[in-house]
Amino acid sequence: LAKTTQPISMDSYEGQEVNITCSHNNIATNDYITWYQQFPSQGPRFIIQGYKTKVTNEVASLFIPADRKSSTLSLPRVSLSDTAVYYCSQTGRRALTFGSGTRLQVQP
Amino acid sequence: DVKVTQSSRYLVKRTGEKVFLECVQDMDHENMFWYRQDPGLGLRLIYFSYDVKMKEKGDIPEGYSVSREKKERFSLILESASTNQTSMYLCASSLLADNEQFFGPGTRLTVL
Repeated sequence: LAKTTQPISMDSYEGQEVNITCSHNNIATNDYITWYQQFPSQGPRFIIQGYKTKVTNEVASLFIPADRKSSTLSLPRVSLSDTAVYYCSQTGRRALTFGSGTRLQVQP
Repeated sequence: DVKVTQSSRYLVKRTGEKVFLECVQDMDHENMFWYRQDPGLGLRLIYFSYDVKMKEKGDIPEGYSVSREKKERFSLILESASTNQTSMYLCASSLLADNEQFFGPGTRLTVL
């Protein structure tokens, strides 16, 4: 059974880079790794998706090593508005597994 | 923008009642999903559907059923609500199963 594990919480300060790592136990060959952000009283919102190596978009980078047993979401220069819960997930044709979420608190 | 709407933001029901949660998406997505979200447990998949009238069980289907009669609408049914089904319920849709999912705002269900 696929299982994703991530830290429960992290603290940071404005302007710092934040890295959140997720472990992907039993990730299937065809699974993608996807990260979501969730604010209170809202549904999760897509941040970034990758299969392996590095993916970058306008808000984050995603690092996936060759063995794909982990992934690291990197948020450059966080601000107070990045305070949220971040979920990693592995998604395939018939499998969708989310981690339990990492609560990121950004301090001024 | 993709929009996923859920019929209620808050719902209070009594034990034993039949409960319907409705979800509608407006982007012609093939796949739709129902999750429940509980503190410390993250999102757990209840059911998903990859086509009209098609459904597959997720990780925690017990006590739930689903219906997808039209492509844009996916309903979650609690046949006989119980207190342990008190939770936040999230609906999502995606074009392909492994694409990004678009989530609705959630329905907070309380079963008394």
